[in-house]
Order: sequence, then structure tokens, then C-alpha cells
Amino acid sequence: EAGVVQSPRYKIIEKKQPVAFWCNPISGHNTLYWYLQNLGQGPELLIRYENEEAVDDSQLPKDRFSAERLKGVDSTLKIQPAELGDSAVYLCASSLKSTAPYNEQFFGPGTRLTVL
Amino acid sequence: AQSVTQPDIHITVSEGASLELRCNYSYGATPYLFWYVQSPGQGLQLLLKYFSGDTLVQGIKGFEAEFKRSQSSFNLRKPSVHWSDAAEYFCAAASNFGNEKLTFGTGTRLTIIP
Repeated sequence: EAGVVQSPRYKIIEKKQPVAFWCNPISGHNTLYWYLQNLGQGPELLIRYENEEAVDDSQLPKDRFSAERLKGVDSTLKIQPAELGDSAVYLCASSLKSTAPYNEQFFGPGTRLTVL
Repeated sequence: AQSVTQPDIHITVSEGASLELRCNYSYGATPYLFWYVQSPGQGLQLLLKYFSGDTLVQGIKGFEAEFKRSQSSFNLRKPSVHWSDAAEYFCAAASNFGNEKLTFGTGTRLTIIP
């Protein structure tokens, strides 16, 4: 079974340019997460989707960040315009919502963004 | 505020030696607790989790963790480390009323020396 797929794996851009990251979750997983991982830090949740609905976007900086999951499958995270401080790893994760007390999140390899 | 603390930024251990990585949490009620491992260029992989019950939990790759309510701790252990265990280890917690938001610690980088 394929895991969570993210592309690109690496991206280098100049500040003020736009950038987009793509994530394809594990087949059948209805919940999708985007995390930001700064150097030397743990991941922090940016946004969580259940199917195509963003159920938690409280930590997403909406002035420059946007995300979509139009058909409830793959998702795109965009930054426009990028700033130097956006240099980080962007992780995508997915889980299958069930009646279990907790639904395990499976993580992709991440996209490492460098803003020059 | 809910938080997870990993007091050790970097630990160096000789191959074959035992390992303990520390994790403390601050939550209103006992959260669900997790340990993840992240190798360079790889995503996070779940090592083990604690929801309730037996306070000593076994995970993959020979790791175990012990939940201590009195100390608000969930320390990760391995009796004998292998060079392939070199990685970044993250402790994480989620509240137990189903919102599934994981809060991660800052991580502990493990270096293995021959």
C-alpha cells in the first residue's frame, strides 16, 4: 500500500514568489493534515480537513497561506508571497476516521522549502 | 496551555548501550501519548502509543515507553541501541476527547557512536 505522497520534495524560491505543495493521502483516508516543521522544532498543525471541509484552520496564517482539498482526496497548500521565515519543512499526514479512540496519522516525507 | 516538553535536545549513546529519552506533558487530563521517529529525509513514523491501561507499552523496533501519571512523563527506552536508531525522536500528545490535534515536543536528536 502506498503511503502519503508529497511533491515536490525540495523547493528553492526567492522571497515574494508564490509556491505550492501537493499531497496525496493514503487511499481511503478521509482526514488530511498539513503541518509546518521549523528547523529544530516539532511539527505544528496548520490545517486539518475532514473530506473536503477544513475543520481546523486556526493556525493557518490566512494572509499568505491557503489550502484546498476540492474533491476530498489530494490537497494543495499555497504560500503567496513567500517570506524568508517560511523556510521550513511542510508535512502532510492522513488518517482514517473511525470509532476508535484515536485515529493514527500517517506522515509523508515532507517538502523542504528554502526561501532566498 | 497544553504542551509537551523534551528536555534533551541531543543525546549521544554508544552502540549496544541502553537508551532513555525523556518526555513530559502538561494537559488538563491525561492525554493520548505517542513517540515518533524521523530519519533524515523521511516522514514521521509511529513507534508506540499509550491510550490507557498498562503503563508500560511496547512498540516497534524494540522500543518501549513507560507512562507515569505522578510525573506527567512518558519516557522512551531501548535496552540496546543499534547504529540504525540514529534519528530525531518526537514525543507527542493529543487530548482524549477526539479532536485528534497532535502537540509535538521539540524533539531529541540521537547520535550513535561505535
